Amino acid sequence: GAVVSQHPSRVICKSGTSVKIECRSLDFQATTMFWYRQFPKQSLMLMATSNEGSKATYEQGVEKDKFLINHASLTLSTLTVTSAHPEDSSFYICSAREDGNYGYTFGSGTRLTVV
Amino acid sequence: DAKTTQPNSMESNEEEPVHLPCNHSTISGTDYIHWYRQLPSQGPEYVIHGLTSNVNNRMASLAIAEDRKSSTLILHRATLRDAAVYYCILRDRHNQGGKLIFGQGTELSVKP
Repeated sequence: GAVVSQHPSRVICKSGTSVKIECRSLDFQATTMFWYRQFPKQSLMLMATSNEGSKATYEQGVEKDKFLINHASLTLSTLTVTSAHPEDSSFYICSAREDGNYGYTFGSGTRLTVV
Repeated sequence: DAKTTQPNSMESNEEEPVHLPCNHSTISGTDYIHWYRQLPSQGPEYVIHGLTSNVNNRMASLAIAEDRKSSTLILHRATLRDAAVYYCILRDRHNQGGKLIFGQGTELSVKP
């Protein structure tokens, strides 16, 4: 079945630094990927839609200059959290859908802690 | 996509069936009913989907009301590994590649 790999699974960074999270579709091509954020005891919140070869579409209230998304190939999307602050600490999850499948496949998530 | 309503939490005993309800009174004729679940500290995983008829797969069964205003995800024999948050989501059949919006879901706990 379709597999989405997310890396790293866990990262701790200092306040003010940037962190890059990778999302790869391992056995299928994904022209569209999605990035979510999840705070403890809350549901997933969609941040943006990543489109291969074009600009990402951000949800209302999500700062595009802070959360940089690059989808340079059909199998890789990256999310960079720039100038991270403690309030950016969260669980970040990506997903993609293989053409022909009804279901979406999700990565295993990245736990970001900003200290 | 139309909204769904689920109970915040449910409890089950191991080895017993579990019925997870979902109300979607504003469902449109072209909306598919999807279920996903999220185990602790993991990304969600697809469980099942349906349109009008009841559906079965290796993970679960989906029972859809005749008027389609509600549905029930059925786990036939709950195991401890089924403890997760279960999300019921409506997806327009004409927008299968679009974004997936999660509600609050039902947190299922399974007691040994």
